[in-house]
Amino acid sequence: EPEVTQTPSHQVTQMGQEVILRCVPISNHLYFYWYRQILGQKVEFLVSFYNNEISEKSEIFDDQFSVERPDGSNFTLKIRSTKLEDSAMYFCASISTFPGNTIYFGEGSWLTVV
Amino acid sequence: SQQGEEDPQALSIQEGENATMNCSYKTSINNLQWYRQNSGRGLVHLILIRSNEREKHSGRLRVTLDTSKKSSSLLITASRAADTASYFCATSGSSGGSNYKLTFGKGTLLTVNP
Repeated sequence: EPEVTQTPSHQVTQMGQEVILRCVPISNHLYFYWYRQILGQKVEFLVSFYNNEISEKSEIFDDQFSVERPDGSNFTLKIRSTKLEDSAMYFCASISTFPGNTIYFGEGSWLTVV
Repeated sequence: SQQGEEDPQALSIQEGENATMNCSYKTSINNLQWYRQNSGRGLVHLILIRSNEREKHSGRLRVTLDTSKKSSSLLITASRAADTASYFCATSGSSGGSNYKLTFGKGTLLTVNP
């Protein structure tokens, strides 16, 4: 079965450092997402991306966050200057079309900010 | 905004028993999906039920949807120790468009004791 792959699986970073989380969505998918899950809490929507631009973002997705699809296969989430509260599992997801289709999630990237 | 809220928050059963988890939400939906998450791992899609469907089966899983009550249930029959995980419902709105996204509940932690 096709899958969404994410790297790194776990990253520890110093507060204030920039972090880039990488995702390779399923190849024929058109819509891409980042979600995050703070330990013990709900999975929260961050941003959706379609046709090379952000289609929607949540209030969590402030100026410190950015997304990019640099080469037609990778989909990245950048956090410019990490804060302690950015520590979370970040999930990438993709879907071919909607509504009514399954969103496929990656295994996630654990980010620990110290 | 719509929310999926599961209950119970935690459920402990013996292997072989059935497990039922419930989910309630607040606004109109296009579909409702159930996901499973093993501790510290990614989200695994289990089943999707559309707003015009009332019941769906997949192997040992049975999902019902009552749009009049804005609720869904997930039944796992003949549970196994390997079913131990957190289970989340996630709803998607009826607005469609490129803003398709999922809103997750807090999840039910299911423990199946051997």
